[in-house]
Amino acid sequence: AQSVTQLDSHVSVSEGTPVLLRCNYSSSYSPSLFWYVQHPNKGLQLLLKYTSAATLVKGINGFEAEFKKSETSFHLTKPSAHMSDAAEYFCVVSDQGNTGKLIFGQGTTLQVKP
Amino acid sequence: DGGITQSPKYLFRKEGQNVTLSCEQNLNHDAMYWYRQDPGQGLRLIYYSQIVNDFQKGDIAEGYSVSREKKESFPLTVTSAQKNPTAFYLCASSPQTGVTGNQPQHFGDGTRLSIL
Repeated sequence: AQSVTQLDSHVSVSEGTPVLLRCNYSSSYSPSLFWYVQHPNKGLQLLLKYTSAATLVKGINGFEAEFKKSETSFHLTKPSAHMSDAAEYFCVVSDQGNTGKLIFGQGTTLQVKP
Repeated sequence: DGGITQSPKYLFRKEGQNVTLSCEQNLNHDAMYWYRQDPGQGLRLIYYSQIVNDFQKGDIAEGYSVSREKKESFPLTVTSAQKNPTAFYLCASSPQTGVTGNQPQHFGDGTRLSIL
């Protein structure tokens, strides 16, 4: 069965410093992986997706993620944090088969300090 | 602009009352989904529909019901059988599944349901 684990429930960085949000996945097949961001009382916005093309995926707002099959990881990074990046981030894996279902991690809250 | 509209933004339910959450999309997507989000938790799937007039239970369907009479609409009813309905409810849609399972989902802005 597919699953995803976000290794940190809360990450705090200073503005202008790098961001690293960690995600490990478990899948019995080659999965599709996504990162979403959620601001308070809002829906989820797609940051980026991996669908078996390039292993380094660039997303919106300067975020990128690297798919590492050997480590079953899909960590999200950004070189320089901005105050507007403060939000909840979800790592997501596609379910097996063609149901379109997604499996969500528990989320990581990113705090950006001035 | 195309997107997903959820209404109302806030909803209050009395004991023993059924309430219906609206979800409308103009993205021409075939599949639609309902999720429940509780504080500090990820999203849990309630129901999903891949085509009109067909839907399947997700992981936490008990106490909920849905219908899919039109492609653009997927309302969720929270029944009185749902004993702990206080949560943030999110509706999503995606292009046709069956060809590939890797389509991202597009989300509405959610409805926050509380008990009076």
